[in-house]
Amino acid sequence: EVQLLESGGGLVQPGRSLRLSCAGSGYTFDDYAMHWVRQAPGKGLEWVSGISWNSDTINYADSVKGRFTISRDNVKNSLYLQMNSLKSEDTALYYCTKAATLGSLSPIDYWGQGTLVTVSS
Amino acid sequence: QVVLTQSPSASASLGASVKLTCTLSSGHSRYAIAWHQQQPGKGPRYLMKLNSDGSHIKGDGIPDRFSGSSSGAERYLTISSLQSEDEADYYCQTWGTGIHVFGAGTKVTVL
Repeated sequence: EVQLLESGGGLVQPGRSLRLSCAGSGYTFDDYAMHWVRQAPGKGLEWVSGISWNSDTINYADSVKGRFTISRDNVKNSLYLQMNSLKSEDTALYYCTKAATLGSLSPIDYWGQGTLVTVSS
Repeated sequence: QVVLTQSPSASASLGASVKLTCTLSSGHSRYAIAWHQQQPGKGPRYLMKLNSDGSHIKGDGIPDRFSGSSSGAERYLTISSLQSEDEADYYCQTWGTGIHVFGAGTKVTVL
């Protein structure tokens, strides 16, 4: 059974940093691309960033480009999101997701339960 | 960049069918999409990948009541024999050149 377990969320002040982690299990982690998707309170889904199986291809939404960095460690079966210069509009539930193939051109086929990030003074 | 358009809401009676639409923006009519379901208070769940020719691949454990079809730039999700647990938000997703996009979602109410 595929499981994606996020951690690292919390309350942080504007301008500060936070690092999210995601542990994948129940499948061969390094065979698949991974993505972060977020959902602000009461709003829809917003794709944040994606990374291919070998980290060769990385993409970001315009709203986070230059502030967020996605990475993965295939030895540890883990996905990360380093979030710098946080803004109030980054407040959301952040989902770790698995892609259906090793590249970025495929749908998301599994979702974690999410970790909540609140940016507030 | 591709844009996905969804109606904000849809409703149908228990046991009936409902058909949701996701429309791809001009110039992107051949894109495949995926449908995801988000029940109240829960994380999303992948339903299926839907190609431009209407072929689709469903996720693990997705009931036969859920089916997909396509026509031009429109991608459809049909839910047959509606059950109370189908009351949820439904999102379409596409991935173009590696930048992923979600539609705004359709809230389905089971009457």
